[in-house]
Amino acid sequence: ETGVTQSPTHLIKTRGQQVTLRCSSQSGHNTVSWYQQALGQGPQFIFQYYREEENGRGNFPPRFSGLQFPNYSSELNVNALELDDSALYLCASSLSGGNTGELFFGEGSRLTVL
Amino acid sequence: GQQVMQIPQYQHVQEGEDFTTYCNSSTTLSNIQWYKQRPGGHPVFLIQLVKSGEVKKQKRLTFQFGEAKKNSSLHITATQTTDVGTYFCAPRSGGYQKVTFGTGTKLQVIP
Repeated sequence: ETGVTQSPTHLIKTRGQQVTLRCSSQSGHNTVSWYQQALGQGPQFIFQYYREEENGRGNFPPRFSGLQFPNYSSELNVNALELDDSALYLCASSLSGGNTGELFFGEGSRLTVL
Repeated sequence: GQQVMQIPQYQHVQEGEDFTTYCNSSTTLSNIQWYKQRPGGHPVFLIQLVKSGEVKKQKRLTFQFGEAKKNSSLHITATQTTDVGTYFCAPRSGGYQKVTFGTGTKLQVIP
């Protein structure tokens, strides 16, 4: 497939808990973007990491944070979970400066907050 | 901020009929991508348009970018059941080339 892997695929948390989602980008890709997709909606941009720095952020509160590691893999952390955080979290890798800027998505992590 | 709307929201067509989805932006776009998401799947890149008035074809799919670079369309000729899914337009913008997804058009093809 895309070469982008995400873990875990499904998880259930309760309100107030914290969660960490992981993403391994496609080989050679230096940029990782995270998206939240609620049921029946389009993906919403959370943030983007390039060379281990956050270089863009969507309209999400600070309790959504991330990391990118030297091997370009990435984590998304969400603190103080709320019911509305229930969604599919998608990671997408890309090559900054690439011709098309194509995003390669993983299968996603489906988070349910009870 | 940038808002991208797609119409229609849903479309049911008989297999063999044509289908078109339209993407409209409130601001001028530097470029626009299109993605397809199958039910239960993840978005898959289809194409990127950059030039004003650009038209690109992929087999039965025709993509257009408006002259003013504020709108785009995807037309599918003679739909097949494999075309089922949600089609998103997604402009790239900003210094770091953020990709923002439109509201999407969900296509259902009736065999």
